[in-house]
Amino acid sequence: EVQLVQSGAEVKKPGESLKISCKASGYSFSNYWIGWVRQMPGKGLEWMGNIYPGDSDTRYSPSFQGQVTISADKSVTTAYLQWYSLKASDTAMYYCARRLSPAAAGGDWFDPWGQGTLVIVSS
Amino acid sequence: DIQMTQSPSSVSASVGDRVTITCRASQGMSNWLAWYQQKPGRAPQLLIFAAYTLQSGVPSRFSGSGSGTDFTLTISSLQPEDFATYYCQQASSFPWTFGQGTKVEVK
Repeated sequence: EVQLVQSGAEVKKPGESLKISCKASGYSFSNYWIGWVRQMPGKGLEWMGNIYPGDSDTRYSPSFQGQVTISADKSVTTAYLQWYSLKASDTAMYYCARRLSPAAAGGDWFDPWGQGTLVIVSS
Repeated sequence: DIQMTQSPSSVSASVGDRVTITCRASQGMSNWLAWYQQKPGRAPQLLIFAAYTLQSGVPSRFSGSGSGTDFTLTISSLQPEDFATYYCQQASSFPWTFGQGTKVEVK
């Protein structure tokens, strides 16, 4: 069974750093893009960026370029989303999701999704 | 970025009703469109991709249509488990963008 299991909820202060994780299992981790999606409280979905673990090719939405860092570690089949200096406006639920088809096959739709990691940034 | 506009923002319906949700893109995108369902407190789930292809395990009461700039998600006979928020997503041009969501509520 393909599964993405995300790390637990975090409560941080503004200016702190944070790295959340998305542990993949049940498929060849290197061969599928993984994306990150933000959902602010009571709001819709926003695509942040994708990573291809096979070669660490990473693409960011312009809205998130420079604000976060996406990475992956093939040895532990885990993708990461990292902030170096959190802001209150980073408070949101963050989802990872796997591209439905491997590499460049098919379109960029995503399934399955992780269960989400809630990040709260408050002084 | 391609802007995706869904309508309506919410719809009130009863079990057994036919529900139609529309998604309009700011530029043509062939059939590079997906639909997701999100229930409260849960992650989104892929329902339909490539505008009309049903994801494995999704009930056949869900269907998608459209091409270019106008797309539709139809639930032929609404079931209790279908009360949720639905999002369209374009995969034509990075960054991928979502519609603002349509909440299907109990009438």
